[in-house]
Amino acid sequence: SAVISQKPSRDICQRGTSLTIQCQVDSQVTMMFWYRQQPGQSLTLIATANQGSEATYESGFVIDKFPISRPNLTFSTLTVSNMSPEDSSIYLCSARAGQGAEGYTFGSGTRLTVV
Amino acid sequence: GESVGLHLPTLSVQEGDNSIINCAYSNSASDYFIWYKQESGKGPQFIIDIRSNMDKRQGQRVTVLLNKTVKHLSLQIAATQPGDSAVYFCAENTDSSYKLIFGSGTRLLVRP
Repeated sequence: SAVISQKPSRDICQRGTSLTIQCQVDSQVTMMFWYRQQPGQSLTLIATANQGSEATYESGFVIDKFPISRPNLTFSTLTVSNMSPEDSSIYLCSARAGQGAEGYTFGSGTRLTVV
Repeated sequence: GESVGLHLPTLSVQEGDNSIINCAYSNSASDYFIWYKQESGKGPQFIIDIRSNMDKRQGQRVTVLLNKTVKHLSLQIAATQPGDSAVYFCAENTDSSYKLIFGSGTRLLVRP
């Protein structure tokens, strides 16, 4: 199965600034996804990022706050813009690298703390 | 590593006992359902899945049961081991969308 490298693994940021999270997959994948996992909670899908098209955002998430890039079939970035303490969370990248349920793989996440 | 299960419901079991973790899903049109295990500081790891036309599927030490009537999913872990301690999530998916929608999680704590 594909392996995802996500960085940074953690960061502490000042409110009002932005952080860009990088996700690198070791094979070419069509579909990539970004999730948010707030402390003690489940994963919430932010957006689907397909190469060659604009990211598709879920309800409650907007491009101005979470711009996503998908320049090629192995890489994506998520930016958390104009951060506030409410953005403190774990952000995870995922890719659909194969068929069926086992085809999904996840990065280890980025632990973001906004102060 | 960071804990992702600080506020999730906790199931505490004795090593060697069987564990049953439950999940309620939301979309009656979902085509398949997946159980994931998440350890601290890591992303979710695939355990087992089941398609909507099945009601039971077995893997190695794990069994998933699906009750579509009440939209309920369960994961049974036989002879629970300390290495099974983690947070467990269910997720659902439709063949047409490829999006995984995660349900609420349960923290499993195995007592030695």
